[in-house]
Amino acid sequence: EAQVTQNPRYLITVTGKKLTVTCSQNMNHEYMSWYRQDPGLGLRQIYYSMNVEVTDKGDVPEGYKVSRKEKRNFPLILESPSPNQTSLYFCASSLRPPAGGNSPLHFGNGTRLTVT
Amino acid sequence: AQSVSQHNHHVILSEAASLELGCNYSYGGTVNLFWYVQYPGQHLQLLLKYFSGDPLVKGIKGFEAEFIKSKFSFNLRKPSVQWSDTAEYFCAVILYGNNRLAFGKGNQVVVIP
Repeated sequence: EAQVTQNPRYLITVTGKKLTVTCSQNMNHEYMSWYRQDPGLGLRQIYYSMNVEVTDKGDVPEGYKVSRKEKRNFPLILESPSPNQTSLYFCASSLRPPAGGNSPLHFGNGTRLTVT
Repeated sequence: AQSVSQHNHHVILSEAASLELGCNYSYGGTVNLFWYVQYPGQHLQLLLKYFSGDPLVKGIKGFEAEFIKSKFSFNLRKPSVQWSDTAEYFCAVILYGNNRLAFGKGNQVVVIP
């Protein structure tokens, strides 16, 4: 089944303890992206990747890192999490970059992160 | 910077009522437009999209949206809602040639049986 898989679904951690949220897609998609969803703010893009080894900042990249060593994986890394990073995170992918092409985003099921 | 505005964040209506959700964007160039739906506890799913051609776009589950370029709008409509349409709806815009998809803040829609 074609899907975007995120892990874990739920994570509670403490300030400053490094964590990684994994994202994997099995559709051979070139484009992958991370979003955070906060009440009243909608979805805001954190980072995106056009292809392997190509990543770029979205609208809210501060406090996050990503890597794209393989086409299928796009982990989100929080080196030193803070309470303001408590949020619902979504990974998404599309066959090609979304601009100008008929390539809608496929979303994962989300990771709810709480930083205390 | 591109921005997307959705009004009336919370909408409550009865089954069989008509629904219209407004979406306005701030960029004057060529855009691609989307509506996504997020059912309670689930991830976002694509409802419909506009890239070019007929400005009236039909999507899944009886939804449609009309692109009005002169008004910078892409409003979502459904003539008769069902309880199962209870969800949050997001409008999204991408500038042609850009690769950053901007989402609106969403409309929380509750349909009362």
